[in-house]
Amino acid sequence: AQKITQTQPGMFVQEKEAVTLDCTYDTSDQSYGLFWYKQPSSGEMIFLIYQGSYDEQNATEGRYSLNFQKARKSANLVISASQLGDSAMYFCAMREKQTGANNLFFGTGTRLTVIP
Amino acid sequence: GAVVSQHPSWVICKSGTSVKIECRSLDFQATTMFWYRQFPKQSLMLMATSNEGSKATYEQGVEKDKFLINHASLTLSTLTVTSAHPEDSSFYICSGQGSNTGELFFGEGSRLTVL
Repeated sequence: AQKITQTQPGMFVQEKEAVTLDCTYDTSDQSYGLFWYKQPSSGEMIFLIYQGSYDEQNATEGRYSLNFQKARKSANLVISASQLGDSAMYFCAMREKQTGANNLFFGTGTRLTVIP
Repeated sequence: GAVVSQHPSWVICKSGTSVKIECRSLDFQATTMFWYRQFPKQSLMLMATSNEGSKATYEQGVEKDKFLINHASLTLSTLTVTSAHPEDSSFYICSGQGSNTGELFFGEGSRLTVL
């Protein structure tokens, strides 16, 4: 079964508007971490935001916020006031701590295009 | 954040040759390094996990004799694609894990094209 599911292959948003990128996850671990990365056309993976499974508050980093709904196993990324430079691929990822593995499981990604 | 440098960024080689990709942690000691492969318009797939001084652990379906991983020091891991073929053309990304925080830091990636 897929550990990370991103159902939106592509999204469009008007510049200065907010956009939500969906991510659901599947794990039986009680302790895990959720990440969002941005990958521009250059290929580098840029860390955006992190949410721990025990964090009670939604994570925020500047224009990025994570809408964490633990019961629904969703960790959607909200980008506010979109900028043209936000156009990129966005990957949701999870690390399961109880399994002892520290690698990240990535979703299939969402390509965001910001329209001027 | 910490810096992971990956080299080369681009490499084009002939079929049958071997290519080495280096991944260096510049300002931290990476006890563990992960190697990912990414096909065009697809996600990152973990290939192997390497711990300094020990043999790499390969994911199912990844040929360990084809993708040689060496993690001889806490700041350097290398991936060698041996006898490369066109189907090995892909984007390879490494990430290093610091010993203190466990946070992952990604390299810039290496785009391999095998002719």
